[in-house]
Amino acid sequence: EAGVAQSPRYKIIEKRQSVAFWCNPISGHATLYWYQQILGQGPKLLIQFQNNGVVDDSQLPKDRFSAERLKGVDSTLKIQPAKLEDSAVYLCASSLALGGSSLSGANVLTFGAGSRLTVL
Amino acid sequence: AQSVTQPDIHITVSEGASLELRCNYSYGATPYLFWYVQSPGQGLQLLLKYFSGDTLVQGIKGFEAEFKRSQSSFNLRKPSVHWSDAAEYFCAVGINTDKLIFGTGTRLQVFP
Repeated sequence: EAGVAQSPRYKIIEKRQSVAFWCNPISGHATLYWYQQILGQGPKLLIQFQNNGVVDDSQLPKDRFSAERLKGVDSTLKIQPAKLEDSAVYLCASSLALGGSSLSGANVLTFGAGSRLTVL
Repeated sequence: AQSVTQPDIHITVSEGASLELRCNYSYGATPYLFWYVQSPGQGLQLLLKYFSGDTLVQGIKGFEAEFKRSQSSFNLRKPSVHWSDAAEYFCAVGINTDKLIFGTGTRLQVFP
């Protein structure tokens, strides 16, 4: 099966500019996640969607970050205006269903290759 | 609050040597535990996972991990490392299988 697709792979912008990242999850995966991975750190969850609804956006800096998944398939993450500290890799992941006590592995996350953002 | 600690930022081993990467977690109940690997410029690939049952789990690429409840640990092991194993390794813990908290990662370097 095709994996999680992300674009662009690399983006360089100046601070205060805007940027958008796109993610297309694995076909049939209901849950989609955006993670932020700053250099030297582990990924941190920004937002989680179930179909086209937001499940968790508690870690999303809502004054500058926004995300949508209008048709319950692909998703866009936007940053406006960007700050220097937003330089990171933005990882998109998807899973078959919302988590629960599952032994089937169906809810394991599959990650895309990421979009690397450099803010100058 | 949940947390994951990977004490070793960087590990260097010779090809063919054994490997153990450490992971400790903090969580009130038995968590779901994962190890992911990230090669340069790539996303995260799942190596193995523990949900319940046998505390020694086998993964892909010859890796295994052992869950030790008494030590709150989930260390990753491989008996003989290959040069292609050079990458960054992340341990993750979750209260469900999808809400994950990651450690800061351990970078593995392999010398020929």
